[in-house]
Amino acid sequence: QSVLTQPPSTSGTPGQRVTISCSGSSSNVGSNAVSWYQQLPGTAPKLLIYSNDQRPSGVPDRFSGSKSGTSASLAISGLQSEDEADYYCAAWDDSLNGPVFGGGTKLTVL
Amino acid sequence: QVQLVESGGGLVKPGGSLRLSCAASRFTFGDYFMTWIRQAPGKGLEWVSYISRTSSSTNYADSVKGRFTISRDNAKQSLYLQMNSLRAEDTAVYYCARTDDSGNMDVWGKGTTVTVSS
Repeated sequence: QSVLTQPPSTSGTPGQRVTISCSGSSSNVGSNAVSWYQQLPGTAPKLLIYSNDQRPSGVPDRFSGSKSGTSASLAISGLQSEDEADYYCAAWDDSLNGPVFGGGTKLTVL
Repeated sequence: QVQLVESGGGLVKPGGSLRLSCAASRFTFGDYFMTWIRQAPGKGLEWVSYISRTSSSTNYADSVKGRFTISRDNAKQSLYLQMNSLRAEDTAVYYCARTDDSGNMDVWGKGTTVTVSS
């Protein structure tokens, strides 16, 4: 059971916009920044969004993040086949004194 | 480019030990926190441990506390994870990740596989 809650799966068609939610508590999402990671099949995770809504260089602006209270969201617009991957949210947890992850959301591009 | 390369994984019997290493290159290793994360087969990401820049601060997930020890050698640009009393549930791919002050893991290695089985 992951500390942060994500939907197990979502899907969309090319060009569509999809969102993935991430729900936490006051000790993690509510008081610390959220990051998002993309894991393509058979590869290591890659930082996609940091500090709630910042994109590292090289990440397309089709990817965006937001946070409100104890929930965060990742939005992917103009969906492409290469976006098919697992997506994880994460945040520092003040009670655990370490990072916590969501269970991951598998995105399927139909 | 900035790179992390893990090594030391393998097959070990329950109760056995392994030492994982993570070699960093093309960045000043001592400027960053470092984190170990693992992923069991078909499962999600699980934080294992982190260490501060000078090793003054470390912490562990409850699932490994007392069995695993994280360490680093900044002169050698290397991170380590000593794993003792291994259990079947420790079977996973282990990743090391460069970590900034806000906890963002911005560079990941490709991982090393640990299998605990008799």
